Amino acid sequence: EPEVTQTPSHQVTQMGQEVILRCVPISNHLYFYWYRQILGQKVEFLVSFYNNEISEKSEIFDDQFSVERPDGSNFTLKIRSTKLEDSAMYFCASKIVAHTDTQYFGPGTRLTVL
Amino acid sequence: AQSVTQLDSQVPVFEEAPVELRCNYSSSVSVYLFWYVQYPNQGLQLLLKYLSGSTLVKGINGFEAEFNKSQTSFHLRKPSVHISDTAEYFCAVSRQNQAGTALIFGKGTTLSVSS
Repeated sequence: EPEVTQTPSHQVTQMGQEVILRCVPISNHLYFYWYRQILGQKVEFLVSFYNNEISEKSEIFDDQFSVERPDGSNFTLKIRSTKLEDSAMYFCASKIVAHTDTQYFGPGTRLTVL
Repeated sequence: AQSVTQLDSQVPVFEEAPVELRCNYSSSVSVYLFWYVQYPNQGLQLLLKYLSGSTLVKGINGFEAEFNKSQTSFHLRKPSVHISDTAEYFCAVSRQNQAGTALIFGKGTTLSVSS
């Protein structure tokens, strides 16, 4: 069964450094998402992406964040200058297209900012 | 705006006992409702979803949920749990008729099944 994959599974970085989290959505899916979960808190929506542009974004998704679909398979989340509070589990998700379609989640990347 | 409240952060239960995980939501617009499960070191997996129609929804692994519009609830139930059901369970909503709309999650309920 096709699945969403994410790399790396764990990323450790120093405060102020740039990180790129990578996701490979399911191949026929057209909507892509990033969510994050700070330890002990809710899973929070960051951004959705469709047709090579941001469809919706939350207040969390400020100028430090950006997303890109650099090729036909990858979907990336970049954090330009990481802060301690960016430490979280980051989940990528994808769905086919319709508003009733299910979002399928990847296993997550745990980002630790020191 | 939408919000989701999961009323129990932890639910311990013995194997073969029934379980109910409670979820209430708040929204000014019509929403779809979801339950996701997260096993250790894995991503979120859809258990079931309510889009429209019958208010009793059946999902995978013997779980079911009932949508109650008047009480704005979507509680998850299973008549007999197994050790393997031990996981984190998340209730979520999304706005109807909006293709790219986000899932809004509750804080999750940890279900611990022991023998």
